Amino acid sequence: SQQGEEDPQALSIQEGENATMNCSYKTSINNLQWYRQNSGRGLVHLILIRSNEREKHSGRLRVTLDTSKKSSSLLITASRAADTASYFCATVFYSGNTPLVFGKGTRLSVIA
Amino acid sequence: GAVVSQHPSRVICKSGTSVKIECRSLDFQATTMFWYRQFPKQSLMLMATSNEGSKATYEQGVEKDKFLINHASLTLSTLTVTSAHPEDSSFYICSAREGGGGRNTDTQYFGPGTRLTVL
Repeated sequence: SQQGEEDPQALSIQEGENATMNCSYKTSINNLQWYRQNSGRGLVHLILIRSNEREKHSGRLRVTLDTSKKSSSLLITASRAADTASYFCATVFYSGNTPLVFGKGTRLSVIA
Repeated sequence: GAVVSQHPSRVICKSGTSVKIECRSLDFQATTMFWYRQFPKQSLMLMATSNEGSKATYEQGVEKDKFLINHASLTLSTLTVTSAHPEDSSFYICSAREGGGGRNTDTQYFGPGTRLTVL
C-alpha cells in the first residue's frame, strides 16, 4: 500500500523559478527519501532525511521534514528544463528489512 | 556507489508465456531485495520482499503463484511472471538493500527497470 501523498500531482513552471513539492505520510517513520524518475526510466536517489532531522540541503535541493505534521517538502531552486521529471517521496517505517513505500508522485514540467 | 542491474531491460512476449527478470547487485551483497511494479503515470507499488535463502513475502493482492521470486544468492534475485497476460504489462523495478557488516542499510539501490509488454 502507498504511504505518502504528494501534492501537487502535477506542476508546471518556467525555467529559473523555484519548484516546491509536498509529501504527507501516515505513520511514524525512520527516514524519508526523495527520488526522481525521468519518463520511462529508473529511479535516481536525491536525498534522505532522518526522522530527527528537520532540514537538509544538496545543491539546488532543499528538503524539510515536519514529523509532527507527518509531512515533507522538496524545494528545487532555479529550476532547469532538465529537472523535468516525476518526483516521489518514499518512507521507511524503521530500519532493517522494511521496504521503501512510495507516494504517488509529482510530475514536474519545467518550461524553457 | 552501489549498482543494481536488471536484465532484460525490455521484453515483449506472447500471452500465456513465462518471463524471467533478473536483478543483480554488482558490487555489494544484498540480503534483502524488493520487487516493485509501476503502471504508466503511476507510482511504484511494492510487490514482494525477498530475503536470501528464504521464501519471499508478498504484498496483499499479489499472487505468489503468478509472480515467482527466487533469491538464491546474495547478489541475484529473479522474478518470473508465469502465464503472462496483457494486464501484466508494466515496468518492473527491483531494489536491493545492502546487508550486514555494519554498513548503512537505510539505502535501497534501484535497478534500471524492465519494461514488460505482453501481447
